[in-house]
Amino acid sequence: AQSVTQPDIHITVSEGASLELRCNYSYGATPYLFWYVQSPGQGLQLLLKYFSGDTLVQGIKGFEAEFKRSQSSFNLRKPSVHWSDAAEYFCAVGALDSNYQLIWGAGTKLIIKP
Amino acid sequence: NAGVTQTPKFRVLKTGQSMTLLCAQDMNHEYMYWYRQDPGMGLRLIHYSVGEGTTAKGEVPDGYNVSRLKKQNFLLGLESAAPSQTSVYFCASTFVGQGNIQYFGAGTRLSVL
Repeated sequence: AQSVTQPDIHITVSEGASLELRCNYSYGATPYLFWYVQSPGQGLQLLLKYFSGDTLVQGIKGFEAEFKRSQSSFNLRKPSVHWSDAAEYFCAVGALDSNYQLIWGAGTKLIIKP
Repeated sequence: NAGVTQTPKFRVLKTGQSMTLLCAQDMNHEYMYWYRQDPGMGLRLIHYSVGEGTTAKGEVPDGYNVSRLKKQNFLLGLESAAPSQTSVYFCASTFVGQGNIQYFGAGTRLSVL
């Protein structure tokens, strides 16, 4: 069965430090991969997506993610975090044959230390 | 640009009461979804629709019903609310050709006492 694992429930990072959020998936073929961000009290906003091609994808707000097929991973990175990046981040997997459904990770809450 | 609009934003119900959550999208999307979000559990799919007049069950459909009478609207109903349905509900939509990119509403926070 398809699944998405975000191993870290919470991550605390100092402002200005680099960030990496982990995402591992289980799927039989190459899936579509997504990262969404949810600010407190808000809906989910797409940060970036991977469909095919270059395995390093750039997103909004200075985020990037790298698809590693051998590790079934799609980790999210940012070189220098800002206090406004404090939010919850969700990784999701989709497939062509799924009625465009997404399988979601449980989320990682990012806390920024001043 | 309205995108996906959910009403109401907040609601408090007593056990056994009924209510309907409305999702409206102005992007002409074929596919629409209802999720619930609970702490530590990510998003779980309740029901979805692949077009006007069609609906299907998701991962956690029990206690909910849906209707899609118009392409732009997707209604989620709770016939007899239970405390276990206390959650934040999100609606999302997408269309063929966008891969699986889903666009979300701002959510409805529901408490059942």
